[in-house]
Amino acid sequence: DSGVTQTPKHLITATGQRVTLRCSPRSGDLSVYWYQQSLDQGLQFLIQYYNGEERAKGNILERFSAQQFPDLHSELNLSSLELGDSALYFCASSPALAGGRRDTGELFFGEGSRLTVL
Amino acid sequence: KNQVEQSPQSLIILEGKNCTLQCNYTVSPFSNLRWYKQDTGRGPVSLTIMTFSENTKSNGRYTATLDADTKQSSLHITASQLSDSASYICVVSRNSGYSTLTFGKGTMLLVSP
Repeated sequence: DSGVTQTPKHLITATGQRVTLRCSPRSGDLSVYWYQQSLDQGLQFLIQYYNGEERAKGNILERFSAQQFPDLHSELNLSSLELGDSALYFCASSPALAGGRRDTGELFFGEGSRLTVL
Repeated sequence: KNQVEQSPQSLIILEGKNCTLQCNYTVSPFSNLRWYKQDTGRGPVSLTIMTFSENTKSNGRYTATLDADTKQSSLHITASQLSDSASYICVVSRNSGYSTLTFGKGTMLLVSP
């Protein structure tokens, strides 16, 4: 158990709908990362937050948005869903910014939320 | 461009055999390199983390090497077990004020009985 909790584990919805994925980082971790993994694909970085602030963006679509709340949990909002959005969405947390002065290299992944868009 | 290339893309070995997975990167400036194991449908789990000054690190039957001069890393698995069947992902972190991690696409390993 990595200590990172993601909900829901599975989600089935229809095209055009909107969903929210939730992530609770490990206790004390300030950084949260979101990744998308489509079938047989590598992990694609979406967005990173550090202590409530957005710090880096990857290949995140405009239909997607995220935020990190004061209690450090994070939500990833996916709207106007398309068939191609079906994927595993992973959240990861770490104590510090990756590559930053305090980076120990630790990154802990949740078990993912599997989104199926029909 | 910051990239991480892994080879082979997939590999099948017999149980009990050894194997070596490769990772080449162009990420700069370099902070650390990590190897993760990802079971199908599960979250990646860290195997090793190496900084610039480390050239070998072991975790049980897993041994990672790093050559920062040539920007290459390898993950050696000894006496493979069926449970080693998974995707192995190489991840490189840049040393900057804030940064993203650069992920390789992974090597899919299948250990056959």
